[in-house]
Parts: sequence; structure tokens; C-alpha cells
Amino acid sequence: DIQLTQSPSFLSASVGDRVTITCRASQGISSYLAWYQQKPGKAPKLLIYAASTLQSGVPSRFSGSGSGTEFTLTISSLQPEDFATYYCQQLNSYPLFTFGPGTKVDIK
Amino acid sequence: EVQLVESGGGLVQPGRSLRLSCAASGFTFDDYAMHWVRQAPGKGLEWVSGISWNSGSIGYADSVKGRFTISRDNAKNSLYLQMNSLRAEDTALYYCAKARDGLQGAFDIWGQGTMVTVSS
Repeated sequence: DIQLTQSPSFLSASVGDRVTITCRASQGISSYLAWYQQKPGKAPKLLIYAASTLQSGVPSRFSGSGSGTEFTLTISSLQPEDFATYYCQQLNSYPLFTFGPGTKVDIK
Repeated sequence: EVQLVESGGGLVQPGRSLRLSCAASGFTFDDYAMHWVRQAPGKGLEWVSGISWNSGSIGYADSVKGRFTISRDNAKNSLYLQMNSLRAEDTALYYCAKARDGLQGAFDIWGQGTMVTVSS
């Protein structure tokens, strides 16, 4: 099975900061990677799919990159509404679609 | 409005069964693969099971294989999860989610979740 790791697991940042989260896969997954944002008490929201494609309606300050085994989610200028937990998900090994353990972004 | 609404959760004793339902609206249900994802209290997301548009391809996480069965009724725009031999570790908020395109599509629409608590 493909395992995903995320780093850091916790991140403290200020409004306006540039934030980068890394997701690593235990084996190559091409570009079959998605990123989700989850706020407390809410369902996850799709941000990025196919490693770098922005989901409709998602602000352009979010971007994704990478392929193979290493991927990044970048928030170019952190906004108050971006404080949340972020998960990566691999979609390469259908139908076993694993999620990463999550990265919590908190207010400094 | 595109919407998924889960139901069927509740408190159940270990070893018993429960059937979750997910009602879809606002999109052509039988065009898309669908999935169940769960989240234990205070924990991360765990993919549980997925089913292709025509039920021809189905998969399960190892943690539920042999105990859970996913199904869909395209005529009723509904997704189901039959959960048997429930364990304490199955306690979680269960979400249904729609794949945006194809079998390997990211999950673009999520329901609000239904809580399952397994306890004696």
C-alpha cells in the first residue's frame, strides 16, 4: 500500500506569511495527488487536484506542485480564513485512496 | 444545488450492524464514482470504500474489508454502506464524497457526515 507523510504536522504562522506544506509518497504516484482543507466541525474541501490544478472557486493564493513522490501545497499570503488542517490524498492506487496524516496551520 | 446528505448513524453495540445512506442531488449521480471516508474523533481522514458509477469496480480499506459493503442505487440517487461486525475502532464521523471525474478523481463534493458510535 502507498503511504503518505506530511511535514510539518503543525505550523504556526501569521497573516500574510508564505506557507509551504510537503507531502511525500512511499512510491511514485505520478500526479495523482489532491489537497484538502478542513476547518473544525466542517467537511473537507477540495483545493487542488492532479497535483497542481486549482479547484474551481478556490483562491489563487493556493497552489500545488510536484510529481512522483514529493509534492507541495503553498499558500502565498496566509489569510485569517486559511487557518485549518490540510490533508493530501493519493489517487494513484485505485481503489485504495489514502490520505496523509494532516498539517494543522495555526495562528502565531 | 449540488448536495450529499448522509443518514443512518447512531449508537450501536459492538458486533452489531448499521446501514448508512447518502442521498445525492443537484448532479447526475450515475455519472460519478462515489466514496465513503471516515474521521474518528480528533483524528485524520481515512478512506473507507469506493464504488464506480456502474458498481463494476469496488474497493475497501483493509480495516473494513470483509465487514463493510458499499453499494449504490442509481435510480434512487443513493449510496449505501452496510457495516457488519462493528468494532469500537469503527467509531467515527462517516462522510460520503463524490469523485470529480473518473475512477481516480479527487473528491469534490462532501456531505456533512453522519456519526457512528460503537459502544456497549
